[in-house]
Amino acid sequence: GIQVEQSPPDLILQEGANSTLRCNFSDSVNNLQWFHQNPWGQLINLFYIPSGTKQNGRLSATTVATERYSLLYISSSQTTDSGVYFCAVMYGNNRLAFGKGNQVVVIP
Amino acid sequence: KAGVTQTPRYLIKTRGQQVTLSCSPISGHRSVSWYQQTPGQGLQFLFEYFSETQRNKGNFPGRFSGRQFSNSRSEMNVSTLELGDSALYLCASSPTGVEKLFFGSGTQLSVL
Repeated sequence: GIQVEQSPPDLILQEGANSTLRCNFSDSVNNLQWFHQNPWGQLINLFYIPSGTKQNGRLSATTVATERYSLLYISSSQTTDSGVYFCAVMYGNNRLAFGKGNQVVVIP
Repeated sequence: KAGVTQTPRYLIKTRGQQVTLSCSPISGHRSVSWYQQTPGQGLQFLFEYFSETQRNKGNFPGRFSGRQFSNSRSEMNVSTLELGDSALYLCASSPTGVEKLFFGSGTQLSVL
């Protein structure tokens, strides 16, 4: 099946710092989505981004489908940005394959 | 609009029992999919339903089954529970299955 790799696995940031999370995938996909898992376990959809660049407040994402990668940018990080970020790709028939996640800790 | 609702939030069962989890999608969404999250295997696709039909199934044993009702609500059932079935079970909905997915808060299942 399709492989989804996220890096770095763990990231510790000082509040106010910027960071970039990367997602590589092994095959052509129908779309790509970024999620943030909150402490209660819910996955919050941050971006639906099959290609191109989107921005949402301090977060932005870029997907280069032809090169099979996506980047999630966090600017001016806040403690509320802490948590696990998942990249997921939709392939075949409406199923998502998830990466193992990026564990982000923002220190005040 | 109300989000995706999953019930119950927590469940404790013993080995050999069976369990049924429920998911109500966002109004107007006809696709419902289920995922299992464990520390070892991460997030894995279980199955997806659209208009009461299972369209896709992941690599899980036949003990895992599901169904969807005419109002798009979905249930998943796990029979003959094993310790390894302990996990967070997440449900997601979207209009037709290919768009942005919205997830519920999940059901945390513990098998003792």
